[in-house]
This record gives sequence, C-alpha cells and structure tokens, in this order.
Amino acid sequence: DTAVSQTPKYLVTQMGNDKSIKCEQNLGHDTMYWYKQDSKKFLKIMFSYNNKELIINETVPNRFSPKSPDKAHLNLHINSLELGDSAVYFCASSQVGLTYGYTFGSGTRLTVV
Amino acid sequence: LAKTTQPISMDSYEGQEVNITCSHNNIATNDYITWYQQFPSQGPRFIIQGYKTKVTNEVASLFIPADRKSSTLSLPRVSLSDTAVYYCLVGDMGNTGRRALTFGSGTRLQVQP
Repeated sequence: DTAVSQTPKYLVTQMGNDKSIKCEQNLGHDTMYWYKQDSKKFLKIMFSYNNKELIINETVPNRFSPKSPDKAHLNLHINSLELGDSAVYFCASSQVGLTYGYTFGSGTRLTVV
Repeated sequence: LAKTTQPISMDSYEGQEVNITCSHNNIATNDYITWYQQFPSQGPRFIIQGYKTKVTNEVASLFIPADRKSSTLSLPRVSLSDTAVYYCLVGDMGNTGRRALTFGSGTRLQVQP
C-alpha cells in the first residue's frame, strides 16, 4: 500500500501546454511538499502545505500553482510549460512533531519538448 | 537554515564499513540531523535521524559529537545494493512545518564487488 503516490510517473508534453501532477498520501500527515530535482540532481523545495494552508512558497514562477483540496492531497498545476521545466518532481509528506522525517513519492519525470 | 557540506562521492567494496561525514557548523538548537538515501528513479528514503550522541537502527548508525557541528553516517558491511546518493539534512522537525528540509548535493556512494 503506497504511502505517498504520484501520478503520472512520466509526462511528456509540448511547450506551451498546461499539465497537472497529482499527489496523495495515506499516512495521515498534516504537511505536504513539492520538490523539484533538476538534471544536476539538486532537490529544491517549491511549496509546502500544512493542513491545506500554503506555508512555503519558494521562488517559483507563478506558472506553477499548487492546490490542496484536503490534507491528504496536494496537486501541482503548471501553465505554459517551458523547456526549463523538464525535471523530476517529487511530492513528500511529514507530520509536525514526529521525528522520522519526510516520506517521498516515487517522482514524476516531466519532459517538455 | 543550516548549510551542510559532505563529500561529493565515495567508493567502497562489498563487506566494508562506510562512514560518510557531514559538516553543519551553524546548526541551530532545535535542529535535528537526518540522512536520506536515494536510488536512481526513486524518491529519497529516510534512513536515520538524531539529535545528539549516537543513534542506531537496523540500517545504519549515526554519530553526533557534543558540539553537533558534524555528523557521521555509518553503513556496516555495505553491499552492491547500497550504491546510491546519501543526503545529510539539518532542520527543525518540531515546528509548524514552516521550514522545509533543504537538500544539499549529497554523497554518491559507489560499492564495487
């Protein structure tokens, strides 16, 4: 039973398109995150939601819009995709006060052509 | 946020003990030290977390000196399947989630037969 699941696993799309990535966690965690891993393998935080409230919004183009319908889901919508958006996007969750860290999904590899 | 410094890469052989040291000179009082492992095409996976002294679980040990300005992840008797990137992170896990974990460049461990 997957703890943090992302869909789709692979996404190939053309420049200018709009796409969404979905994330769901069944751990009962109250905080969810989106991270971006580029070709150089650096993992960078993009957004963080705590109980459906946006609490971290790093320097990310406003073409990226996270949406959290409930605390178990955090989706990422990307408008007007650009070549530089190609990366692996990871969703993660954690529970404030617990010390065992984050649980990551398996990632969505986005390729913009 | 505390910045971490760790070796870019390490090589080892099966059956050997591997120690990866991470420097975090400006660690804050409330910060925990957490290590993650990432295999290709997968999300990072929690390995171990500690605050001070020594922590051991079924996978690894974590040694933290009294000043907490560094930490060492110890992997006993590595196997080929331990080939991965290992990330050292420092962060406050007990807050409201307003500070997300920041990943550095990690240490790429290559285990040879």
